[in-house]
Amino acid sequence: EPEVTQTPSHQVTQMGQEVILRCVPISNHLYFYWYRQILGQKVEFLVSFYNNEISEKSEIFDDQFSVERPDGSNFTLKIRSTKLEDSAMYFCASTDKAAEAFFGQGTRLTVV
Amino acid sequence: LAKTTQPISMDSYEGQEVNITCSHNNIATNDYITWYQQFPSQGPRFIIQGYKTKVTNEVASLFIPADRKSSTLSLPRVSLSDTAVYYCLARMGGFKTIFGAGTRLFVKA
Repeated sequence: EPEVTQTPSHQVTQMGQEVILRCVPISNHLYFYWYRQILGQKVEFLVSFYNNEISEKSEIFDDQFSVERPDGSNFTLKIRSTKLEDSAMYFCASTDKAAEAFFGQGTRLTVV
Repeated sequence: LAKTTQPISMDSYEGQEVNITCSHNNIATNDYITWYQQFPSQGPRFIIQGYKTKVTNEVASLFIPADRKSSTLSLPRVSLSDTAVYYCLARMGGFKTIFGAGTRLFVKA
């Protein structure tokens, strides 16, 4: 079964540092997403990406965040200057137009 | 995107059938009803999706009445490993998925 792959599985970073979370979506999918989940809380939408541009973003996705699809396979989320409150599980997801979204196993980001 | 409402938590015993009902009063014509399952520290996993009437797969059944204002996820003969959070969503394909708080199902031995 095809799957969304995320790396690394766990990232520890110091406050103020930049981090890049990586995702390989399912190859024939067209829509890509990032979500985050703070421990014990619900899954929150961050951003959606289609046709090489952001199609929608939430209020969480401020200027500290950016996304990129640098090649035909990878989809990255960059946080420029991490804060303690950025500590969370970050999930990448992809979908084609009609079907369900497939989620990766997540990257646990810990900001210290 | 239609707002969904579902119970915060449910308890069950192994071997029982579990039905989780979700209301989505303002569902749009183009919205599909989708259910996800999430285990701790894992990404949400698709369970089942439907538009109307009944859909069944190897994991669950989804019942949707004619007015589509609610839906019921049915898990036959649950086991301890079905303990998870279950999310009901109403969405159009290709658009963002908005998660609510979900239903925490706890299956006891």
